[in-house]
Amino acid sequence: SQTIHQWPATLVQPVGSPLSLECTVEGTSNPNLYWYRQAAGRGLQLLFYSVGIGQISSEVPQNLSASRPQDRQFILSSKKLLLSDSGFYLCAWSVPGGSEAFFGQGTRLTVV
Amino acid sequence: AQSVTQLDSQVPVFEEAPVELRCNYSSSVSVYLFWYVQYPNQGLQLLLKYLSGSTLVESINGFEAEFNKSQTSFHLRKPSVHISDTAEYFCAVRHATGFQKLVFGTGTRLLVSP
Repeated sequence: SQTIHQWPATLVQPVGSPLSLECTVEGTSNPNLYWYRQAAGRGLQLLFYSVGIGQISSEVPQNLSASRPQDRQFILSSKKLLLSDSGFYLCAWSVPGGSEAFFGQGTRLTVV
Repeated sequence: AQSVTQLDSQVPVFEEAPVELRCNYSSSVSVYLFWYVQYPNQGLQLLLKYLSGSTLVESINGFEAEFNKSQTSFHLRKPSVHISDTAEYFCAVRHATGFQKLVFGTGTRLLVSP
């Protein structure tokens, strides 16, 4: 069966520090991968998606970047965090041609 | 582009009462519709989905949703809620063809009290 792992679960970082959140999927190949951010009262905002290794699409301009160095690995990064980067970050995957997305357990990032 | 509106940010109900969580969508093409549930500090779990066929879809824990194309709605209902149903519920939509980018509503927090 397929599983998705996302870590860390919680993270407190100072303003201006770098960020790296990692997500890996097991039990499937060539998944579509997604990074969402959830802010209070604003639902889920799609940040990035990827349909293959090295292929990243950005949905909104921001202080973050994403990379997909391996087929089942998706990384969310920032060189210098802002207070506004605080939130709950969710990684998800879907089968190409499939219907729904499957989510990881999320990372709560607090920038102080 | 598609969009989703969940008008109710919070719905308080008593245990064993019926509940309806509203979802309206906007799209110019055929869509797939989903309801996800999120418990505190956890990821989202798929509750039910509409792809095609019967407009009434059901989940294993008693929730149901009905796709209404003329009203562009996909409301979630449960005839009798439990304390354990307390969670945040998200409606989502994506185009039925092409790349499957899910667009979510802002969520509805269901608060079930005894």
